[in-house]
Amino acid sequence: EVQLVESGGDLVQPGGSLKLSCAASGFTFHYYYMGWVRRAPGKGLEWVANIRHDGSEKYYVDAVKGRFTISRDNANSVLYLQMGSLRAEDTAVYYCVTYKRPPYYFDYWGQGTRVTVSS
Amino acid sequence: DIQLTQSPSFLSASVGDRVTISCRASQDINSYLTWYQQNPGKAPKVLIYDASTLQSGVPSRFSGSRSGTEFTLTISSLQPEDFATYYCLQCKDYPLTFGQGTRLEIK
Repeated sequence: EVQLVESGGDLVQPGGSLKLSCAASGFTFHYYYMGWVRRAPGKGLEWVANIRHDGSEKYYVDAVKGRFTISRDNANSVLYLQMGSLRAEDTAVYYCVTYKRPPYYFDYWGQGTRVTVSS
Repeated sequence: DIQLTQSPSFLSASVGDRVTISCRASQDINSYLTWYQQNPGKAPKVLIYDASTLQSGVPSRFSGSRSGTEFTLTISSLQPEDFATYYCLQCKDYPLTFGQGTRLEIK
């Protein structure tokens, strides 16, 4: 059974940093592209970042470029999202996702971890 | 960036109704479109991928179709568990983008 378990969400002040983790199991992690998707309170879903199976390519939404870094540890089946220069608009539930390709879509989702940026 | 315009934003319907939700892409995305269902406090669930392929385990009352850059999700006979929020997603090009969502509520 595929499991994605996020952790690291917290209350952080504007300008602060936070690192999210996603422990993956039940599938061959190093074969899969992975990603992060978020949902802000009262808003819709927003794709944040994707990473190639070997970590050699990374993709970001413009809103987080230069502030967030996606990475992975294939030896331990863990996905990360390092978040910096946090803003109030980064407040959201962050979901770890597997990116199936082809066909191209997010097939498995974690339950999410909540990040709140507030003073 | 590819924009997805989802309509309606809000839909009120009754159990047993047939409903359709539309998602229009701002440019050609082939069939790289997925439909998700999200319930409050839960992770999104895949319903349809490749515009019209039913995800394993999803009831057959859900279906998807494509006509050019216009995509449609149809629920043939609403069940109580279908009242949720629905999103479309395009994976043709980065940045990947979602529609703004359709909230389906009980009339």
